[in-house]
Formats: sequence, C-alpha cells, structure tokens
Amino acid sequence: SYELTQPPSVSVSPGRTASITCSGDKLGDKYSCWYQQKPGQSPVLVIYQDNKRPSGIPERFSGSNSGNTATLTISGTQAMDEADYYCQAWDSSTVVFGGGTKLTVL
Amino acid sequence: QVTLKESGPVLVKPTETLTLTCTVSGFSLTNARMGVSWIRQPPGKALEWLAHIFSNDEKSYSTSLKRRLTISKDTSKGQVVLTMTNMDPVDTGTYYCARAVAGQGDFDYWGQGTLVTVSS
Repeated sequence: SYELTQPPSVSVSPGRTASITCSGDKLGDKYSCWYQQKPGQSPVLVIYQDNKRPSGIPERFSGSNSGNTATLTISGTQAMDEADYYCQAWDSSTVVFGGGTKLTVL
Repeated sequence: QVTLKESGPVLVKPTETLTLTCTVSGFSLTNARMGVSWIRQPPGKALEWLAHIFSNDEKSYSTSLKRRLTISKDTSKGQVVLTMTNMDPVDTGTYYCARAVAGQGDFDYWGQGTLVTVSS
C-alpha cells in the first residue's frame, strides 16, 4: 500500500523559516495537501493542490511538490504556528495521510 | 455555511459494532462533486483514513480495515453513516467526517470529531 513519510518533529526559531517534508513514491505525480492540527482541535487545511492556500490561511504558508517529495514551508514562523502538520494524497481511490510532524517554535 | 457533525456512542464494548453518523449542512450529498470520508485519530497518534463515499455512491475503504467497515449515505437526510464491526480497545479514538470536492484531493471541511472509547 502507498505510504507517506514525514519527520516526527521539526524545530524552528520565531521569525525563521520552517520546512516540513513528505515523501512518497512519485508523489509529484499526485496532488498533495497539508493540514494543521492544534491540540484538541480538528485538522485545518492549509495547502491544497500542492501549493494553493485556502481563504484565510496566511501567506507565510506555502507548498511545493516534485519528484518524490512534497514540502510545506512556513516563512516568518510565529508561535501560533506550533502544531502538528499532516500531509495527504490520494492513491487510486484511497486516501493516505503521512504520520504527522510536530512543529515546535522555540 | 458548510458544517459536518459526527454523532454516535461515546462508549462501546469489545466485539460490538460501532455506528457513527455524519450530518452535513450547507451542501448537498447529491452534488456531483461532493464526497465524504471518515477519518480517525487514536489519542496522541496520527490521522488514519477509514472510508470514502463518492457523489455517485461508489465507496472506497482502507485496505487494512475493509472487512470491518461499511459506509453509506442517506441523501434525503444529509447523512453519511459508518459502521465498524468487532470493535477492539485499539479502535479507541476520535472519529472525524470530512468533505472532499472531486478533483481537488483535499478535505476542505471537517467535523468537530467524536471520541469513541472501546472498553468493557
């Protein structure tokens, strides 16, 4: 079955750029998207179709997807961005989530 | 305003069957582009996709859980129902329903989730 691999954790200093990767076989041939989840809350879509931002998502969130890797980039990271982030894609007619990355802002 | 809301038992016993209902509003399940998935999350763990029902009533299931899952919808009620048989304590977690628009690949709206505990 198809798998998406994320690093368990990423740390970043406030104001710096955070990058979270998501790896899967030929992931660049599929649409990838990213969700932010804060404790006790439902996931929120922050990037869809590789690099599009939903309405209301700050411009500091961006995405890319090529080859075997999709990347979520947060520029000028703020304390409020501390959360778990999940990548997701479809493989045939099934949905796959990555294992999640805990972003720590310190 | 699009909303999804999960409902169902808070506590189920091992070996029992779980039935969860997702009630949607702000869009129609008859819309050719709308589909709904069920996704769960054990405490402190990652999201796990369970099943999806497409606008044409086609269904798709997690390979590992396929034998235990059934997804269906009642368009007149605006509801998507998930049943999971033979519940086990490892099935404890928060169960979410979420909307997907065909062709986009993402879940743009999620329910608040419902915590299900499996214990005798």
